Amino acid sequence: ETGVTQSPTHLIKTRGQQVTLRCSSQSGHNTVSWYQQALGQGPQFIFQYYREEENGRGNFPPRFSGLQFPNYSSELNVNALELDDSALYLCASMYGSGRISETQYFGPGTRLLVL
Amino acid sequence: AQSVTQLDSQVPVFEEAPVELRCNYSSSVSVYLFWYVQYPNQGLQLLLKYLSGSTLVKGINGFEAEFNKSQTSFHLRKPSVHISDTAEYFCAVSINAGGTSYGKLTFGQGTILTVHP
Repeated sequence: ETGVTQSPTHLIKTRGQQVTLRCSSQSGHNTVSWYQQALGQGPQFIFQYYREEENGRGNFPPRFSGLQFPNYSSELNVNALELDDSALYLCASMYGSGRISETQYFGPGTRLLVL
Repeated sequence: AQSVTQLDSQVPVFEEAPVELRCNYSSSVSVYLFWYVQYPNQGLQLLLKYLSGSTLVKGINGFEAEFNKSQTSFHLRKPSVHISDTAEYFCAVSINAGGTSYGKLTFGQGTILTVHP
């Protein structure tokens, strides 16, 4: 049990639609990162939010966007869904203090299927 | 940019045998190194991490890994595996740039460890 929850657990959308995935972090975790894990692949870094501001982005187009809220929850939004967006989406949170001993905790993921 | 290569996509092994899962990385800057385990339909759990200091790192569930800077490797080992170790294992790196940089991970493709009775 990591204290990081994600909703929904599974989701089916059609191509061109928009989707919002949610993550609830442990209290005090001011840093959240989102990853996309395609079937049979390792997770790929999408972006990180630190204190409600984007703090780094991987090689993903602008139709992937995010929000982080003061209550330690966050969202990943994907517009104009494509078939290749079908994947497990993972969020990971930690207390970003600058101390490298802090541990990052992963949620169980949301499995998105785009038809 | 950094990259991670896990040299074996699948590793079958018998219970109580030793196992090594191999990981090589590439980076032009100093990195932190991690091993994560993923059980079916679950998220990622941290097994161990190398940040600095001793190159031999001990983690949870009896796993250990050795950082070899000259060979840019970070292989994961366990002297005696159990059925419950059956899972997918991911090696990951992040750049050593302080702050929250270690939360931005580059993962390998994963190694499926299957432990047979």
